[in-house]
Amino acid sequence: DAKTTQPPSMDCAEGRAANLPCNHSTISGNEYVYWYRQIHSQGPQYIIHGLKNNETNEMASLIITEDRKSSTLILPHATLRDTAVYYCIVRVGALGGATNKLIFGTGTLLAVQP
Amino acid sequence: DVKVTQSSRYLVKRTGEKVFLECVQDMDHENMFWYRQDPGLGLRLIYFSYDVKMKEKGDIPEGYSVSREKKERFSLILESASTNQTSMYLCASSSPLAWPYEQYFGPGTRLTVT
Repeated sequence: DAKTTQPPSMDCAEGRAANLPCNHSTISGNEYVYWYRQIHSQGPQYIIHGLKNNETNEMASLIITEDRKSSTLILPHATLRDTAVYYCIVRVGALGGATNKLIFGTGTLLAVQP
Repeated sequence: DVKVTQSSRYLVKRTGEKVFLECVQDMDHENMFWYRQDPGLGLRLIYFSYDVKMKEKGDIPEGYSVSREKKERFSLILESASTNQTSMYLCASSSPLAWPYEQYFGPGTRLTVT
């Protein structure tokens, strides 16, 4: 079972920030938070990951609460091309085949409106 | 750019047929994965392989087998296709030597079994 909870859908106006929440209240100390997204008719794509500090890259920012029980993915200026299903995943950061699995939930469908 | 390719985007097969889904990656990745994606269920792991000729069952291996004779190629086999195997099939690859172990996905094969 997925270890995260996300809202099934969200809307966002084009050009505004999209804030996608994720609850992971049972996260362990050695588990990272990963975000992927899946645009329609494509395979999922990695966005960002973090352990306990806030992270930013060219695609998004990731804010993790101090207790690590929840996080928020922020797309600072959403465009129509950001319309996709966004998956929040927790996973241990160890090497090896078994621990390299990703457990996908059903994600959040973000619809960016013009 | 990492490229993961899948042999077909769309496939229609009859019940009882043996079906081969092929996946090729060009990044010399050790790990390869097969998922299926169904509405409301998200992505579920069928099998994964962490080296040539090595494989491990995922969460839903029943009715499937896999083959990895070369590092770049990972095949999913439906020995006797059934209608409940109608689904989107996604292949992915990753390297346990490249943090953050992100998985790169192919575009998917939509299989219909009639």
